[in-house]
Amino acid sequence: KAGVTQTPRYLIKTRGQQVTLSCSPISGHRSVSWYQQTPGQGLQFLFEYFSETQRNKGNFPGRFSGRQFSNSRSEMNVSTLELGDSALYLCASSFAQSNTGELFFGEGSRLTVL
Amino acid sequence: AQTVTQSQPEMSVQEAETVTLSCTYDTSENNYYLFWYKQPPSRQMILVIRQEAYKQQNATENRFSVNFQKAAKSFSLKISDSQLGDTAMYFCAFMKQEKGNQFYFGTGTSLTVIP
Repeated sequence: KAGVTQTPRYLIKTRGQQVTLSCSPISGHRSVSWYQQTPGQGLQFLFEYFSETQRNKGNFPGRFSGRQFSNSRSEMNVSTLELGDSALYLCASSFAQSNTGELFFGEGSRLTVL
Repeated sequence: AQTVTQSQPEMSVQEAETVTLSCTYDTSENNYYLFWYKQPPSRQMILVIRQEAYKQQNATENRFSVNFQKAAKSFSLKISDSQLGDTAMYFCAFMKQEKGNQFYFGTGTSLTVIP
């Protein structure tokens, strides 16, 4: 069974640009969540999608947005990039009907904003 | 709001020794789950161990065990017989079920196993 796939793995952008990151969950998983990981801050929750609907949202500005498609694949978008957006962005999927709550993570997309 | 605190940013342990990573959390919830996740260098994060709050018995997975103190809101991870492959960042996480599963992570503890 293929794991969670995130693309691209690495990318460099400049301030003011926008970026789109993609996440393909494990087959059968309908919940996809996104996290921002920075040194010293740990993982900060961005948002969670289930069946194309955003169920939960973290405390991030509106520049951060996402969506989920009918095949459960998800994208997140960051507009008007700032230097502080440099981070590892992790996607995680789960079989939401299960109450075990285990998250399956991708390897992440490392974004550098210059 | 839920918060998870890991007060040890970095730790080291000699190979084959035992090490304990600390985690405390704050919540008003009565039903929740606690997790330890491991993130090896340049590799994806994986689940180490899980504890349901309603279970008094501490979870154990091979060399990994937890000390869950619900009243004290403490959830420490003990790694016995440490191996080089245990070198990783370890994250403590709290999960409650409300409109799906909501996770809250600590800032992580970087563990180095010394040969």
